[in-house]
Amino acid sequence: ETGVTQSPTHLIKTRGQQVTLRCSSQSGHNTVSWYQQALGQGPQFIFQYYREEENGRGNFPPRFSGLQFPNYSSELNVNALELDDSALYLCASSLWRRTSGSYEQYFGPGTRLTVT
Amino acid sequence: KQEVTQIPAALSVPEGENLVLNCSFTDSAIYNLQWFRQDPGKGLTSLLLIQSSQREQTSGRLNASLDKSSGRSTLYIAASQPGDSATYLCAVVFGNEKLTFGTGTRLTIIP
Repeated sequence: ETGVTQSPTHLIKTRGQQVTLRCSSQSGHNTVSWYQQALGQGPQFIFQYYREEENGRGNFPPRFSGLQFPNYSSELNVNALELDDSALYLCASSLWRRTSGSYEQYFGPGTRLTVT
Repeated sequence: KQEVTQIPAALSVPEGENLVLNCSFTDSAIYNLQWFRQDPGKGLTSLLLIQSSQREQTSGRLNASLDKSSGRSTLYIAASQPGDSATYLCAVVFGNEKLTFGTGTRLTIIP
């Protein structure tokens, strides 16, 4: 158990729709990252939030957006869903210490999104 | 471009054998390297984290090494068991502070 939870566990959407995925981080963790994992691939970094501000973004279009809240929860929103958005979406929380420059990420169980 | 590569993509070994999984990365300026385990359809379980200043980490039957100069890490699993069957992912934090993953090695332990 990592203390990181995600909801829902599974979701089926139609192309063109919008979806919101949720993540609850470990208490006290100030950083949350979101990853997309297509079948048979390693996770790909979408973006990271640090203290409610976006702190870096991977190679994903603007229709992927996020929010981080003061209670350590976060959201990933995807607009205008495409078939290729079908994947396992993982969130990871961590306590980022800029003084040490290094941290460990704790992953949730993921949300399996299917776009038809 | 910062990349992480894992070879082989799949590996099958008889129960009880020791085995080594390999990970290579293109940029030696790393913050840390993390090994994860993923069971089918599940999230990631962190196995070992090696800081850039360290050479190895051990946890039970697992030992991970790091050689930054050659851009390589290995995960050694001793006395393999059927429960070790899973996909093992290597991930590196480069200077951009984000995890870059390899594509994983799918390990099957044959009883």
